[in-house]
This record gives sequence, C-alpha cells and structure tokens, in this order.
Amino acid sequence: EVQLVESGGGLVQPGRSLRLACTASGFTFGDYAMSWVRQAPGKGLEWVGFIRNKAYGGTTEYAASVKGRFTISRDESKSIAYLQMNSLKTEDTAVYYCSRGYGGSYWGQGTLVTVSS
Amino acid sequence: DIVLTQSPLSLPVTLGQPASISCRSSQSLVYSDGNTYLSWFQQRPGQSPRRLIYKVSNWDSGVPDRFSGSGSGTDFTLKISRVEAEDVGVYYCMQGTRWPYAFGQGTKLEIK
Repeated sequence: EVQLVESGGGLVQPGRSLRLACTASGFTFGDYAMSWVRQAPGKGLEWVGFIRNKAYGGTTEYAASVKGRFTISRDESKSIAYLQMNSLKTEDTAVYYCSRGYGGSYWGQGTLVTVSS
Repeated sequence: DIVLTQSPLSLPVTLGQPASISCRSSQSLVYSDGNTYLSWFQQRPGQSPRRLIYKVSNWDSGVPDRFSGSGSGTDFTLKISRVEAEDVGVYYCMQGTRWPYAFGQGTKLEIK
C-alpha cells in the first residue's frame, strides 16, 4: 500500500528555518518525482515545487514565491523527500502536502506550518 | 505563467442531479509529447486532495464513473452525472503541462 507521511511542521518565528520530511513506503521511491503543494488556511492549493527522480537528473523546480528560500531534496536510501524552508514569512503559513509524481494520485495527510511571532 | 479560471466558484446541487465545472486555461495545455496534462482533484472537508481525473479524461483508480472529464486545448469540464452526498467538497483543476504548474481557484460543491 502506497503511503506518504509528512512530518516536521510546527510553530516557527518569521525569519527562522524549518525542515519538513515526507516518508514514503509501498512503492519504489527512486522511480518517482516527489512534489510539495501547500494550502494556506481557508485558501486554495498552491504548488511549492518538485524534485525529479535520478533518471531525470534529480533536478528541482520551485514556485517564484519560494525560490531562493526553499530547497527540495531526497534521500533514496531512506525513501524520504525533504523540504528545507529558510527565511520563513508569515505568508508561508499553510498545510504542506507531499505527493508522488507531479500532483499524482497519492498524497500525504499534510503537516501544518505556522509562521508567527 | 498559465492561469486556470474555474467557474462557477460555488455550486449548490440537489442530490441526484448533475453538476458541471468549467476550467479555462490562459494558454493551450497541449504538451510537446501530444498529451494534455490537465487533472481534476476533489478535496473533501478536512481531507487531503484526491486526484479524480488525469490527462483530461482518464479516471484514477477507485473513482466512480459518475465523474467524467472532457475538453481540449484551453477549455475543460468536469461533470458529475448524479451528485451524491459524499461529493461535497472543493474541486480543483490543475495543469501539469508547463512549469509553474497551477491549480484553479477551486469550486465549492454543496448540497441544496
């Protein structure tokens, strides 16, 4: 059974950093890109970015709103995708979801990140 | 950047009646490989998004066949043939043709 479990969310002050993890199981992690999508409270879905699998160079793409502040990486040995978030702003407050592929058929339950002083 | 515009944004529907959601793209969503990467997602209250349809008209596993997707180029539609109580939630279209990928604003379906 495919499972994606996000962790690492919490309350953080503006300007600080946080790292989210997406732990995958039930499929061959290395065969898939992994994506991050966020949802601010009461708002719609917003793409954060994704990381391609090794066969496609393991390269990344980011939304303009997070480029230069967020970094997506992956650990193939642990089947984990990470979202490193630096210089956090209040507008980064959201539930962060990871997804297999490019917004595919499997999503995690999400982890809430609250940026507030 | 590609912008997706959904209509209506609010959709009150009587149980057993059909429903239709439109998604219009600011640019063609046909990719260089000939595929059109337009998906539809359902988000029930308090839940994660669930993909219903991919590449315009293909059902994801377990999706009831009362849901159907159609369209081409820049105009797409999600139809529900007979709305059931479990269909309440917000529906999003999403383009995965050109980065930055994007979601529509969402359409909130409620039971009248």
